[in-house]
Amino acid sequence: SQQGEEDPQALSIQEGENATMNCSYKTSINNLQWYRQNSGRGLVHLILIRSNEREKHSGRLRVTLDTSKKSSSLLITASRAADTASYFCATDQPYKAAGNKLTFGGGTRVLVKP
Amino acid sequence: DAMVIQNPRYQVTQFGKPVTLSCSQTLNHNVMYWYQQKSSQAPKLLFHYYDKDFNNEADTPDNFQSRRPNTSFCFLDIRSPGLGDAAMYLCATSRGDDRGYEQYFGPGTRLTVT
Repeated sequence: SQQGEEDPQALSIQEGENATMNCSYKTSINNLQWYRQNSGRGLVHLILIRSNEREKHSGRLRVTLDTSKKSSSLLITASRAADTASYFCATDQPYKAAGNKLTFGGGTRVLVKP
Repeated sequence: DAMVIQNPRYQVTQFGKPVTLSCSQTLNHNVMYWYQQKSSQAPKLLFHYYDKDFNNEADTPDNFQSRRPNTSFCFLDIRSPGLGDAAMYLCATSRGDDRGYEQYFGPGTRLTVT
């Protein structure tokens, strides 16, 4: 079952604007991760934020995590046409002996218009 | 350099005709995962291997099997594909401990069932 719900489902912005998307989840987590998926391709890891962290930055990306509200947000600043993609949050729980189970949200489709 | 390679990128099979998808990795990661992603949906974990230890998700149909002959390779076998199995199949790898690491995804194999 889907652990995370993402909001909005789709987002259309002009190049240079910021894009914000939110993710809510239901159960406790170890970490939360964000991935990007270009159309018809595999997923690319963006950021991993641990449950004891509140904010993390990577280049033009900023992720926040509020474990009390079971929510996270991804902000893309100064967006570019190349940022057009689907963005997924994934809750991360240790899985049996090893490895980690990612349960993905439904994704936000972002269109950045030149 | 490609780190997680999936072959073929596109596969067409007939209803009921067995099909095998392959994944290889150059990362020497302990854990390999197979996900199914249907159109406009989130990836859904089918199963994963920690070394040779196979772990099936509870809701993965029996029609789906997997083999991991060595660290580098993993195969997804669909014994009798139905129309509902048409999807993108994603292979991913990660390091094998419960601290939580990003997963590295291949480009996916898009399966069409006719």
